[in-house]
Amino acid sequence: GQNIDQPTEMTATEGAIVQINCTYQTSGFNGLFWYQQHAGEAPTFLSYNVLDGLEEKGRFSSFLSRSKGYSYLLLKELQMKDSASYLCAVRELWRPRDDKIIFGKGTRLHILP
Amino acid sequence: GAGVSQSPSNKVTEKGKDVELRCDPISGHTALYWYRQSLGQGLEFLIYFQGNSAPDKSGLPSDRFSAERTGGSVSTLTIQRTQQEDSAVYLCAGSLGWGRPTNTAAFFGQGTRLTVV
Repeated sequence: GQNIDQPTEMTATEGAIVQINCTYQTSGFNGLFWYQQHAGEAPTFLSYNVLDGLEEKGRFSSFLSRSKGYSYLLLKELQMKDSASYLCAVRELWRPRDDKIIFGKGTRLHILP
Repeated sequence: GAGVSQSPSNKVTEKGKDVELRCDPISGHTALYWYRQSLGQGLEFLIYFQGNSAPDKSGLPSDRFSAERTGGSVSTLTIQRTQQEDSAVYLCAGSLGWGRPTNTAAFFGQGTRLTVV
């Protein structure tokens, strides 16, 4: 089974930096994704981590610690368009030679001018 | 196709009626997921198909919900005797299946907004 926790809501200021944390418990970890979802739209893929460490992609970075079951998404130089929900998702091995992607509830990020 | 296609985009139905929601994933995506999202809430896992293997139905909320996937491509989610609490956006996602690089993400359709009145 799996359990994915992330804060329900966060607020940050335009131009600032925000870190969104995600903790997970899974029996067969096989990678972690972050997705962005704007209101009324489908989620879109942001980043992927399977090894410990930091993956940087422009203003967004994602970090993973497998031993701690912990990840964070770091957003720099926040823009108003970054107001969205951010979903942490874990790829879990759930039966031999098969895995599936399970999503957390998401963190709603509000950006203030 | 170029992306994940879901139909209809919107569906309004009367309580007690049956509805069918359709998902056509990206060609070659053998893994297919159905999720449900109520207003302002997170994604609720419903069902997962992987190739010809038995699907994971552990997320289906009741026996009124069922899904099938024909020919390993198009999937249909059926809700029988709809209730008002079934009102939500139903999202379909597909990804490359087992054996492919694990960094292959799931790609979502735009969803079907179901309203039960």
